[in-house]
Amino acid sequence: NAGVTQTPKFQVLKTGQSMTLQCAQDMNHNSMYWYRQDPGMGLRLIYYSASEGTTDKGEVPNGYNVSRLNKREFSLRLESAAPSQTSVYFCASSGGTASGAAFFGQGTRLTVV
Amino acid sequence: GQQVMQIPQYQHVQEGEDFTTYCNSSTTLSNIQWYKQRPGGHPVFLIQLVKSGEVKKQKRLTFQFGEAKKNSSLHITATQTTDVGTYFCAGQSGNTPLVFGKGTRLSVIA
Repeated sequence: NAGVTQTPKFQVLKTGQSMTLQCAQDMNHNSMYWYRQDPGMGLRLIYYSASEGTTDKGEVPNGYNVSRLNKREFSLRLESAAPSQTSVYFCASSGGTASGAAFFGQGTRLTVV
Repeated sequence: GQQVMQIPQYQHVQEGEDFTTYCNSSTTLSNIQWYKQRPGGHPVFLIQLVKSGEVKKQKRLTFQFGEAKKNSSLHITATQTTDVGTYFCAGQSGNTPLVFGKGTRLSVIA
């Protein structure tokens, strides 16, 4: 049982490049989330999907887009990477937005130069 | 919007000392959760508290939810080196997603 799988684990981008972070969960969870973690800032919500077919902005959505491809997969896209997007990105899933624990992926360490 | 404040930001303790981290929300919460993140790792769910005044224990860890459901605490008795990491609280109000505090980084000196 893999839980939440994120790819890639590490990535270096040049300013202006684009990339997509992939996330898949095998727990049949309805809700999925993308967080970024910066030193001293905790975990900040970028976007979330309460259920298949819906997405909503979180605290820090600017510069990102998301796609809930199906119940299992939730991707995060950076269209034109900026150095301010250097961070560790975590995908998470839970049974629902109002209940239950969130299970996190291993994280993607992204550096934009 | 909802804010969750967590203190202290850092705590250094000698092995065997106790440790407490506190969490306060700007709004009444439907539940609060606690997570632990080891250095270089990802957050791992520890526990969820739902009821006003609830107290739960996991071995040396004691979790409390305030009567007003706006604050919570995590207390570790007799810390060990395996307790090292960052502890996050995360609160929910209704159907809103979890809002995380900034975490308390615990260092344990052997």
